[in-house]
Amino acid sequence: DTAVSQTPKYLVTQMGNDKSIKCEQNLGHDTMYWYKQDSKKFLKIMFSYNNKELIINETVPNRFSPKSPDKAHLNLHINSLELGDSAVYFCASSHADWDAEAFFGQGTRLTVV
Amino acid sequence: AQSVTQPDIHITVSEGASLELRCNYSYGATPYLFWYVQSPGQGLQLLLKYFSGDTLVQGIKGFEAEFKRSQSSFNLRKPSVHWSDAAEYFCAVGRFNTDKLIFGTGTRLQVFP
Repeated sequence: DTAVSQTPKYLVTQMGNDKSIKCEQNLGHDTMYWYKQDSKKFLKIMFSYNNKELIINETVPNRFSPKSPDKAHLNLHINSLELGDSAVYFCASSHADWDAEAFFGQGTRLTVV
Repeated sequence: AQSVTQPDIHITVSEGASLELRCNYSYGATPYLFWYVQSPGQGLQLLLKYFSGDTLVQGIKGFEAEFKRSQSSFNLRKPSVHWSDAAEYFCAVGRFNTDKLIFGTGTRLQVFP
């Protein structure tokens, strides 16, 4: 009964590969996000979707493509992985209300070798 | 530009001691302020948030924070720290949850018995 779940929890892959991280929320939220946490623990938003529509798209390489098949899912696909993509990626969700709380998943630790 | 500064990278306290984690922000509009905690290997959990009204905000796990507009600060406090409070603490600012959250770089709290 996890609220925001991400798979996989750990992902080790070689440079140049294509990989996906999946995120699902069972909270009935309208809005979902992807954040990246680098090796210095700095957290920065990458994307946000509201009702399957892209709302926020920060300066992220176009190798990163979010896909939202429905309101409960927001997957992150990464093409041609690079060493610098190594980080922890967090999915989050919230209601589209001004005072809504964002719930975060446990994170996916991606290591590119 | 909007930013959040957490001046203390690492803080060590004894169990039972009081705690204050500092957070300063730079934001053009009225800020919405948050404190999140990240335990090792876990996602982010919201401790408390400030949107408006009383500037002293109570959160979960015995934490509180005070918004001081004149100092652009939102410091987190706890009167008596428990060993289970050892974690990484992030301050964040935003407009509301369908907007991006801007995070500080985090403060790592270590608790000695």
